[in-house]
Amino acid sequence: SAVISQKPSRDICQRGTSLTIQCQVDSQVTMMFWYRQQPGQSLTLIATANQGSEATYESGFVIDKFPISRPNLTFSTLTVSNMSPEDSSIYLCSVEEDWGYEQYFGPGTRLTVT
Amino acid sequence: KQEVTQIPAALSVPEGENLVLNCSFTDSAIYNLQWFRQDPGKGLTSLLLIQSSQREQTSGRLNASLDKSSGRSTLYIAASQPGDSATYLCAVRSGSARQLTFGSGTQLTVLP
Repeated sequence: SAVISQKPSRDICQRGTSLTIQCQVDSQVTMMFWYRQQPGQSLTLIATANQGSEATYESGFVIDKFPISRPNLTFSTLTVSNMSPEDSSIYLCSVEEDWGYEQYFGPGTRLTVT
Repeated sequence: KQEVTQIPAALSVPEGENLVLNCSFTDSAIYNLQWFRQDPGKGLTSLLLIQSSQREQTSGRLNASLDKSSGRSTLYIAASQPGDSATYLCAVRSGSARQLTFGSGTQLTVLP
């Protein structure tokens, strides 16, 4: 199984600022995903990040708010821009070796916006 | 649109009991189904992946079954332990969809 790390593990940020979350995988993977888990809720997919192409965003999420980079097969970043308290969530990175394979998750980044 | 439901939302059992967690989904045209556990404030740990052609998968004390026609999956945990306390999430991949659809989870507490 893939081993995934995320940085930072947690952060407290002020309203109006931006935070970039890093996701590093110990092996090359085709599919990388970014999820949000709001307090007490289940997971919601933000976008799918594939190397060499623009990220594909789910309904309700836009590139200006959540820009994503995927420079290679082991790394991705998610930026949460112009933050508001409603962005306080756990942000999770996940990977699949290829489409339809078992999905593995990172430890998450707990973001609090004040 | 696929919808995934997990019942009960919370479950408390004494140590040593066998237990079953339930997951139901509305669209039976699934590609696979995956069970995860999540400890408080942490990421998800994959427990079992069942392909649509399979009926069940086993790992240690865990056994997951899949009945596509009825839109149901169960996760059986044998001889529960306090370390099994966590939230258990079921996630379904429908057809060619790129995303997993998650249930809201069952919060399990195993009492010593």
